[in-house]
Amino acid sequence: DAEITQSPRHKITETGRQVTLACHQTWNHNNMFWYRQDLGHGLRLIHYSYGVQDTNKGEVSDGYSVSRSNTEDLPLTLESAASSQTSVYFCASSPGPSGAQYFGPGTRLLVL
Amino acid sequence: RKEVEQDPGPFNVPEGATVAFNCTYSNSASQSFFWYRQDCRKEPKLLMSVYSSGNEDGRFTAQLNRASQYISLLIRDSKLSDSATYLCAVRFMNRDDKIIFGKGTRLHILP
Repeated sequence: DAEITQSPRHKITETGRQVTLACHQTWNHNNMFWYRQDLGHGLRLIHYSYGVQDTNKGEVSDGYSVSRSNTEDLPLTLESAASSQTSVYFCASSPGPSGAQYFGPGTRLLVL
Repeated sequence: RKEVEQDPGPFNVPEGATVAFNCTYSNSASQSFFWYRQDCRKEPKLLMSVYSSGNEDGRFTAQLNRASQYISLLIRDSKLSDSATYLCAVRFMNRDDKIIFGKGTRLHILP
């Protein structure tokens, strides 16, 4: 069955380290998204991509980067992890402009 | 005014009752509407899309009111397993096709 996966599911890191969170989908969706979810803020969009080599900043993109070298993957990199980036990170994909988004299981990141 | 707003709840509802939530949106240039369900510490899962004429899926009914700019979700004959947070989501045509999510309404079904 087609799916969307994230790895690792849990990660503990130290401030200043570079961290990469993986997102892989087998639906062949063009659109992929990264969100963070924190208490009191709901889902906030970090970065998104509408296809290979396309990346765009969301509302909370500072300190994060993404790259899209193929349809299936959109890794999220924290350039220099900060304690404020402790959060739950969700990746999502959608087939196109009018479709719903489908979420991966999430990665819980703790930055010490 | 926030783009997508929901009553955070919690709604404490006895099992078997009917419960309804609303979600208001501020931008009339809206294109698509969705309801998601999110269980504690899990990912949001699509519950249903919301169509202009309203739509039903079993015990769940979704309605769209464009004039007043809100969508609603009605759950009939509520089950204990319906306890979750319900997120509404709106895609705005003039926002680069991004979906904006509400912060969610928490629902507790009481035995």
